Amino acid sequence: AQSVTQLGSHVSVSEGALVLLRCNYSSSVPPYLFWYVQYPNQGLQLLLKYTSAATLVKGINGFEAEFKKSETSFHLTKPSAHMSDAAEYFCAVSPISGNTPLVFGKGTRLSVIA
Amino acid sequence: DSGVTQTPKHLITATGQRVTLRCSPRSGDLSVYWYQQSLDQGLQFLIQYYNGEERAKGNILERFSAQQFPDLHSELNLSSLELGDSALYFCASSVEQGTEQYFGPGTRLTVT
Repeated sequence: AQSVTQLGSHVSVSEGALVLLRCNYSSSVPPYLFWYVQYPNQGLQLLLKYTSAATLVKGINGFEAEFKKSETSFHLTKPSAHMSDAAEYFCAVSPISGNTPLVFGKGTRLSVIA
Repeated sequence: DSGVTQTPKHLITATGQRVTLRCSPRSGDLSVYWYQQSLDQGLQFLIQYYNGEERAKGNILERFSAQQFPDLHSELNLSSLELGDSALYFCASSVEQGTEQYFGPGTRLTVT
């Protein structure tokens, strides 16, 4: 069965600093991987997705993530944090065979300090 | 705007009551998913429908039920409500199972 582990339930960075949110997956077959963002009192919004094309995936709002099969990781990064990036971030996985719903991680709350 | 709509936005009701939450998926999406999000439990997958048929079940209580209608909209029915059912309920839709899901804005349920 697939699973996703997000390391760190809460990450705090200074404005302008690098954002790194960690996600490791376990899947018996190469998966599809997703990052979602949730702003307060809103639904989840798709940030980016990996579907076995390029291993470095660019998303919205300056975020990107790199698929590393050897490390079973799909970490989310942004070179320079902005106050508006403060939100909850969820990593999700689905096998390419695709007969199960996405499996979501527990989420990481990102705080940005001025 | 994801294209997924949910009604109502807010719902306040008393313990023991029954409510129905409604979801309309994005145009062309056949799969609908329901999630519950609370502070203590996080985001919990409840149930999935694909083109009118139940496809997957998660942590859904027996007091809860759902269906997807021929026009592809879905309803989540919550009965014998308890204080612990207070949460945000999200609907999401996708073209196929396993592809990216698009989330609605949610329904905030408060049980008093």
